[in-house]
Amino acid sequence: DAGITQSPRYKITETGRQVTLMCHQTWSHSYMFWYRQDLGHGLRLIYYSAAADITDKGEVPDGYVVSRSKTENFPLTLESATRSQTSVYFCASGGWETQYFGPGTRLLVL
Amino acid sequence: DAKTTQPTSMDCAEGRAANLPCNHSTISGNEYVYWYRQIHSQGPQYIIHGLKNNETNEMASLIITEDRKSSTLILPHATLRDTAVYYCTQWGDSGGGADGLTFGKGTHLIIQP
Repeated sequence: DAGITQSPRYKITETGRQVTLMCHQTWSHSYMFWYRQDLGHGLRLIYYSAAADITDKGEVPDGYVVSRSKTENFPLTLESATRSQTSVYFCASGGWETQYFGPGTRLLVL
Repeated sequence: DAKTTQPTSMDCAEGRAANLPCNHSTISGNEYVYWYRQIHSQGPQYIIHGLKNNETNEMASLIITEDRKSSTLILPHATLRDTAVYYCTQWGDSGGGADGLTFGKGTHLIIQP
């Protein structure tokens, strides 16, 4: 089915480990985004991509790495996970005006 | 910090119109008003957006005041499935780059049977 999917949906990891969150969309949208959602902070943009091989930082990029070798995929990597990165991560795709969100990945860093 | 202000919560009877207000007094000329909602444990869902004219789609209507400092989202016939947190945000296509969408705390709309 067409849409945007994220995997895994739930992840528990330990401090210092590398974690990669996957995002896949079937709409061929140009833009893709990664957000984190935390109580007290609302939704914050981590990174976004305007097209394959084009990425740019958002509001809170430190500690994260992204890549976009294919239009449909936009993985987010936590190079060395910290407890402050415990959060719900949402991927979104769309044109610049309208974004469609995935179901989210709930990450717990112990 | 969110640039918009919304009531924390609202109740509405099933079948009635739900009117959700939002103040965005700092909105600039090239920024749109966007509404999203988030049903518990799901990703945010786009509802509608507008610049200065009123807008309507299959989900809702958006009424923007003439000075653009506030708007109202209208769900014409609310159902139990409309219970969610509704976010109003402002965003410009030229200046929004590194900021992306910013959601404040939103309004928790509870539809009562």
